[in-house]
This record gives sequence, structure tokens and C-alpha cells, in this order.
Amino acid sequence: QSALTQPASVSGSPGQSVTISCTGTSSDVGSSTHVSWYQHHPGKAPKLLIYEGTKRPSGVSDRFSGSKSDNTASLTISGLQAEDEADYYCCPYAGSITFYVFGPGTKVTVL
Amino acid sequence: QVQLQESGPGLVEPSGTLSLTCAVSGGSISSNWWSWVRQPPGKGLEWIAEIYHNGDTNYNPSLRSRVTISVDKSKNQFSLKLTSVTSADTAVYYCAGNGYYAIDYWGQGTLVTVSS
Repeated sequence: QSALTQPASVSGSPGQSVTISCTGTSSDVGSSTHVSWYQHHPGKAPKLLIYEGTKRPSGVSDRFSGSKSDNTASLTISGLQAEDEADYYCCPYAGSITFYVFGPGTKVTVL
Repeated sequence: QVQLQESGPGLVEPSGTLSLTCAVSGGSISSNWWSWVRQPPGKGLEWIAEIYHNGDTNYNPSLRSRVTISVDKSKNQFSLKLTSVTSADTAVYYCAGNGYYAIDYWGQGTLVTVSS
């Protein structure tokens, strides 16, 4: 069971924006500059969307953006599209004891 | 473009050992840290362990006592062993390549079922 908290689900209409929060503690999200976000379509390989809290790998749409405030990291999807319907996971690198800790995941539904 | 392919038995008996291998193609195993991540049915992702080409390793504390990760540079592959498995270890297992404190690219995953 993850020590992080994400909403179980969020939804939006095409073109709208949605934001997924990832709340932890000062021992993980709060102290980590290394928060990553992943998109996972069931049956496929997860995909890295954001690393270092705000950076996008080459090829990732700029509709995806990341931010962090205190113990909460956030992923915003702008201009929601049908193909954005997937599960999304946050993952702070929590140091040399716990390393990578995934959040419980958020299911995004495009209405 | 680096590609990863998991291989290993899809069925393991309870109390047995789960063994998986990840073949790395399109790149050198000496270039990265490499990880194993799993997803039990209906649940979220769980990081298991990572290894560097020189053999340095890090483990999820909750699995450390049962997990061994190893690398074979001559075959450009790395492996996972998980001992004393139970039904709770039934999952899709992914091998992956690490980027800068993130899991950069992933294999397609392989389902391992623990059952007699």
C-alpha cells in the first residue's frame, strides 16, 4: 500500500484541463526534486511523462506539465484528448533507503 | 532506440523462485541503471530493484530479503530472482531502463502467476 495519496479518478471533457495531485510527506515528495509521472494504458508499457518534477522527455506533448508545492506534486493535462484516458502514477525518488515510491495511481476518464 | 524484452516462466509454484531475464537491444547495458517494476492485477506499480552495470544494486526495502538482481554484460541482459513466492507475487513484471532519477523506458511486461 502506497504511502502517497492520489485521487482514485478524475474526469474531464475533451479540450478541458485536469490536474492530478500526489500528496506525500516531507520525507518523500517534500524533500525530493526528483518527482516523475507516468502514463499507463492497460496492457501496454508505462510511459514517462515528467521527470525532475517539471521536465518533459523528448517527444512528450507539452499538454502535460508538472509542478510541486511543499509535500504535493501535481500533473496537469491541458486540452484533454480521448487518448489521454489512462492511469497516471507519480513517483518521487525518496532517497537512498526507499528509492522509487509509486503513488497508488489515478484513472483519467475523458467524458 | 533501446528496446527491452522480458522472458521467463509464466507460472511459478508457491514457495518457489521466480526468475526473469531482460534482454537489452539497441544499446549497451553499460550505459544505465536498470530496474524491475511490477503491477499486481488490479493494483498499482511497485518498484522492485535496480542495478548498475558495475554490479551496484538497490532494493525496495519491503522485498529486499527475497530479491536478487544481477547483470550479465557479456549477454547485454539483467535478471531478477524472487524467492519464496506467494499468490501476492502474481503480477505483470516490467524491466526498465532508468534515466535521471526516473524510469525512462520500459519493456512490454510479462505476466507471472503464482499457483500450483
